[in-house]
Amino acid sequence: RKEVEQDPGPFNVPEGATVAFNCTYSNSASQSFFWYRQDCRKEPKLLMSVYSSGNEDGRFTAQLNRASQYISLLIRDSKLSDSATYLCAVDTGRRALTFGSGTRLQVQP
Amino acid sequence: NAGVMQNPRHLVRRRGQEARLRCSPMKGHSHVYWYRQLPEEGLKFMVYLQKENIIDESGMPKERFSAEFPKEGPSILRIQQVVRGDSAAYFCASSPVEGANSPLHFGNGTRLTVT
Repeated sequence: RKEVEQDPGPFNVPEGATVAFNCTYSNSASQSFFWYRQDCRKEPKLLMSVYSSGNEDGRFTAQLNRASQYISLLIRDSKLSDSATYLCAVDTGRRALTFGSGTRLQVQP
Repeated sequence: NAGVMQNPRHLVRRRGQEARLRCSPMKGHSHVYWYRQLPEEGLKFMVYLQKENIIDESGMPKERFSAEFPKEGPSILRIQQVVRGDSAAYFCASSPVEGANSPLHFGNGTRLTVT
C-alpha cells in the first residue's frame, strides 16, 4: 500500500458544482496534513493546512478523518480557475512531507 | 521578500553530461528539500539538507546523484552522467523549521531534458 494515495481523476465538473477529493494515508501516527494546488508545468502552491477540527477558507473546506485515515478537500461553487491538479501532503514519519500523486480537476463552462 | 529561487528554469543535457541545479531558499529559511516530478506523476522526495549538512537522503538514487547546501551560496543538486530517465522537473522547497510539520514553499522548478 502506498504511503499516500489519491484518485488521479480527472474530475470533470460544470461551473458552480461542488466537488470533493479524498486522500488516504497509511501511517496512523501522521500529524500534519496539507493540500497543494499545482497548475500545469508550474510549482505546487500551498492551498491550505488541514486541522483536526476541520477548517474552511472561502469556498474551500478541508477535513481530517483520523479513524479512517484520510483527508478531504471540498470545493464549493467551482470556478473555471479552479482547474488544476490538487496534491495532498502528509508527514509520514520521515523528515519531509510525502505527496500524493494528485487529483486532476477540470471545471467546464 | 523573494521566494525560493531556482535556476536554470530549463536545462538540456546530452546523455553522459553533468547537470547542476541550483536553489536559493526563502530569506530566513535554513531547511531545503529537493523533490523530483516525472511526467504525469507526483512529487517524489529526494533529499533534505540544512546548512552544511545532509539530514535525509533516503529518496536519492545511490549513484550519480549528490546534493549539497554550503555555508555560503545556494543548494546544489548534481546529476552526473545523465540518462534519459533523469528527464523530469526538479523542485526545491524551503521551510523555516525542521521536519514535516510545517508547509513547504516551492521554487518554480528546473525542467531537465536529457537528449
